Amino acid sequence: GAVVSQHPSWVICKSGTSVKIECRSLDFQATTMFWYRQFPKQSLMLMATSNEGSKATYEQGVEKDKFLINHASLTLSTLTVTSAHPEDSSFYICSAPADRDRGYTFGSGTRLTVV
Amino acid sequence: AQSVTQLDSQVPVFEEAPVELRCNYSSSVSVYLFWYVQYPNQGLQLLLKYLSGSTLVKGINGFEAEFNKSQTSFHLRKPSVHISDTAEYFCAVSPRRWASKIIFGSGTRLSIRP
Repeated sequence: GAVVSQHPSWVICKSGTSVKIECRSLDFQATTMFWYRQFPKQSLMLMATSNEGSKATYEQGVEKDKFLINHASLTLSTLTVTSAHPEDSSFYICSAPADRDRGYTFGSGTRLTVV
Repeated sequence: AQSVTQLDSQVPVFEEAPVELRCNYSSSVSVYLFWYVQYPNQGLQLLLKYLSGSTLVKGINGFEAEFNKSQTSFHLRKPSVHISDTAEYFCAVSPRRWASKIIFGSGTRLSIRP
């Protein structure tokens, strides 16, 4: 099946610093990448949609200046949490539609803890 | 816009018993429907999807779901569960246009008792 590699799987950072999360499609071209956030024991909330070569589209209530998304190539999309604070601690997951047979594929997630 | 309602936040079941996880959706347009499973601290794995065709969809690990357009439901079923099925299950919907964003339900925690 289609594979999206997400790194890092976990990260601990100090409050005020920035953290970058990468998602790479390994065996297909990801023209679109979706970024989700998941709080403990809750569902996935869509944060933004990135398209290769254009600006990301953010969902209502998501701060675009805090969650910077870059989708510079067909195989790489990144999410940078800027000036992180403890309330940004969460599980972040990326997803990309591969094709109709393989469907949407998800990264393994990044557990961000801001201390 | 689309939305998904998973009626049960938790479902406890004895091993080898049948299980049904309920999902209802709302949409003003035709949709694709999905069921995903998530194990602790992991990403999501696709169980099955309905894009078109037969309303009874068979997926991995012995799961199946039936699309009912009149009741706007997509319930997930398995005739006999195993301990290894303990996980969080998410129903999801997207507009019937490939590569559209997927909206998830709140999830159902399936716990299997020996």
